[in-house]
Amino acid sequence: DAKTTQPPSMDCAEGRAANLPCNHSTISGNEYVYWYRQIHSQGPQYIIHGLKNNETNEMASLIITEDRKSSTLILPHATLRDTAVYYCIVSLEINNYGQNFVFGPGTRLSVLP
Amino acid sequence: GAVVSQHPSWVICKSGTSVKIECRSLDFQATTMFWYRQFPKQSLMLMATSNEGSKATYEQGVEKDKFLINHASLTLSTLTVTSAHPEDSSFYICSATRDVEREGYTFGSGTRLTVV
Repeated sequence: DAKTTQPPSMDCAEGRAANLPCNHSTISGNEYVYWYRQIHSQGPQYIIHGLKNNETNEMASLIITEDRKSSTLILPHATLRDTAVYYCIVSLEINNYGQNFVFGPGTRLSVLP
Repeated sequence: GAVVSQHPSWVICKSGTSVKIECRSLDFQATTMFWYRQFPKQSLMLMATSNEGSKATYEQGVEKDKFLINHASLTLSTLTVTSAHPEDSSFYICSATRDVEREGYTFGSGTRLTVV
């Protein structure tokens, strides 16, 4: 079972910030929070990941609470092309020797014009 | 970033035939690749872990004789669906990582298999 819970769907107005929440109350100390998105009929696209500190890249920002039991993915200026299913995944960062990615149902984000 | 390529992007086959799907890491070597399956309106489910030079590791409930995995080189893993049936129709996706600390895991664009 996925270790995360996300709202099944969200709407966001084009140009506004999209804030996607994720609960991971059973996260362990060495597990990372990953965010991916999947546009219809394509493979998942990596967005961002983090351990404790907030992270930012060209796509998004990741805010992790101090107790690490929840996080929020922020798309600062959502566009229509950001419409996708967003997955929050908790996993150990294992480089090339294993993967324990369990995909939950994700959040279906609809960016509205 | 890293690129993982899948081929074909879609395939239609007759029931009882076998279908091979290729997953390539284009600009990096991957000793390990991962195969997922996704049914319509559902999430991705990990099927197996493909290891270069050794046997694949299958998740519980996935038949290894039905889904043959070959990881013969550091840039290519293949998934063969043998004796395909309509219930095998699904979206198959592979993934690998070049630098998990910086890039996370990279997924292929997926292969849509339809068995008629």
